[in-house]
Order: sequence, then structure tokens, then C-alpha cells
Amino acid sequence: EPEVTQTPSHQVTQMGQEVILRCVPISNHLYFYWYRQILGQKVEFLVSFYNNEISEKSEIFDDQFSVERPDGSNFTLKIRSTKLEDSAMYFCASMGVDEKLFFGSGTQLSVL
Amino acid sequence: AQSVAQPEDQVNVAEGNPLTVKCTYSVSGNPYLFWYVQYPNRGLQFLLKYITGDNLVKGSYGFEAEFNKSQTSFHLKKPSALVSDSALYFCAVRDVNSNSGYALNFGKGTSLLVTP
Repeated sequence: EPEVTQTPSHQVTQMGQEVILRCVPISNHLYFYWYRQILGQKVEFLVSFYNNEISEKSEIFDDQFSVERPDGSNFTLKIRSTKLEDSAMYFCASMGVDEKLFFGSGTQLSVL
Repeated sequence: AQSVAQPEDQVNVAEGNPLTVKCTYSVSGNPYLFWYVQYPNRGLQFLLKYITGDNLVKGSYGFEAEFNKSQTSFHLKKPSALVSDSALYFCAVRDVNSNSGYALNFGKGTSLLVTP
């Protein structure tokens, strides 16, 4: 079965540093997403991306966050200046026309 | 606004017994409803969805869910639990009228533990 892959699996960074989380969605999918899960809390929607632009974003996705699809395969989430409260598991997902989201295994981000 | 509630943090079931994982939802319009499962160190995996049609939806691994509009519920069920069903289960909703990005709103998850 096709997979969404995410790298790295773990990322440790200092507060104020920039991080880039990387994802390779399923090749024929058109919709791409970032979600996050703070330990013990629910999975939260961050942003959706379609046709090379953001189609929807949540209140969490402020000016410190950005997404990019630099080529035909990668989908990245950048946090410009990380805060302690950005520590979470970040999930990338992609979706085809059948409304089934396929998730990656996640990147555990720890901000110290 | 759209949201889901999973009232149980954990559900414990003996192997072979039926299981139910509860979910209630709130949307302004008609809902699209989903269940996902997460095994340790893995991403969420799609189990089943309700878009329209029969209220009883069958999904992967023998799971099914029943859409109840009057109770705004979408409980996940399985007639006979397996130890391998032990995992974290997430209910999710999308308002049919909210199609700008097809984003899902997830519940906080219910941990299912099936004991031998």
C-alpha cells in the first residue's frame, strides 16, 4: 500500500530556532495537510494545501508557520522561531479523490 | 463550528467480547464522519467513513459504525474483539458544507485495550 513518509522521526531544537519538517505525500494525491498532536491532547488541524496554495488554515497556523511544495514530491512545514508550546507530534497527510486521509508516522518535535 | 467528543479515554474489553468506542459530533450542517486507528509509532490509518446512505457503515478489520442523526453519534463497534485491535482510535468530522480544504476535526482519541 502507498505510504506518506515523514522525516525526521524526531527533531530536537532550541527555542527560537527554525525547523523544517519534511513529508513526501502519496504521488497521485492532490490535497496535503499538516496536523499536530500535543501529548495527551487531540489531533489538531493546522493547514491544508491544494493546487500549490493554502486552502484552509487553523488559528494555530500563525505567521510563524509556513508550508511549501518545492517540487513535485515534497511537502514541508516550517516553523520560523520555535516556542516551547510548539512541542508536539506533527503529522503530514495526503488525500486523493476518495476522502481517505493517509497519514505519515509523524515527526516528534521537542523544543527546549 | 464542528467538533467531536470521545467521552472515554480508555475502553477495556476481553478478547471475543463485543466492543464499542463512543463518538458524538457537532456540526452546523450535515456531517461527514470518519474513524481512524493509530498503532504505536505509526500514523493514523483510515478505518471507515460515513458520507450518506445506510446508517451502518462497514470498514476495515471487521469494524463498523452506526450513524445516529437524532443522537448525533457515530459509535465504532466490532462484534468480537481481538488482542490485535488494541490501539488508539480517533473519531473525526467534517461539515459537508465546509469544503475549502476538506480538513477534518478530530476527537482526542480513545485507547482500546483488549485483554486475552
